Amino acid sequence: KQEVTQIPAALSVPEGENLVLNCSFTDSAIYNLQWFRQDPGKGLTSLLLIQSSQREQTSGRLNASLDKSSGRSTLYIAASQPGDSATYLCAPIVSGTYKYIFGTGTRLKVLA
Amino acid sequence: SAVISQKPSRDICQRGTSLTIQCQVDSQVTMMFWYRQQPGQSLTLIATANQGSEATYESGFVIDKFPISRPNLTFSTLTVSNMSPEDSSIYLCSVGQGAGYGYTFGSGTRLTVV
Repeated sequence: KQEVTQIPAALSVPEGENLVLNCSFTDSAIYNLQWFRQDPGKGLTSLLLIQSSQREQTSGRLNASLDKSSGRSTLYIAASQPGDSATYLCAPIVSGTYKYIFGTGTRLKVLA
Repeated sequence: SAVISQKPSRDICQRGTSLTIQCQVDSQVTMMFWYRQQPGQSLTLIATANQGSEATYESGFVIDKFPISRPNLTFSTLTVSNMSPEDSSIYLCSVGQGAGYGYTFGSGTRLTVV
């Protein structure tokens, strides 16, 4: 059974720092992996989708890498801003299924 | 990607009553899902909504408690029946064309049962 763990669980940093959020999953047979952002009490906003054949994806200040063989993905946030404050979720889809398995999330707070 | 309208955005309900949540998509989609997010927790898949047939429920979720309809490729409803305070959660609709494309989420319905 796929299990997804995100480290750290919570993070508080001053504005401007470069951040690293980690996601590990137990079953390396994944179809793809998606990173989401969730603001308090709200739905999910897709940030980056990485196919299993890809090593990384970039969008603006965000970069996500994927090492499928070791069961890890990392989200890098450059030059963090207070508007980046949210919970970040990673969600792989196991091969042969169509379902996300969600991680426990990293709650990020960027201080002005 | 598809644009989802999920209604209501929030509600406060009395225990023992039922609430129906709607998910409307601006284009036809292959896959539609319903998730629950309990306070302080991550998302858990309730069921896959199948067009024109019964939904496929995940372990721990049953049709009598969470009946789902999907009459066409752009619309689905989730009903939370005979509610108790333990049903207080955010309920989210998710849609997509298949696993290779990723999925989009609605803005969620924040349900409080008193």
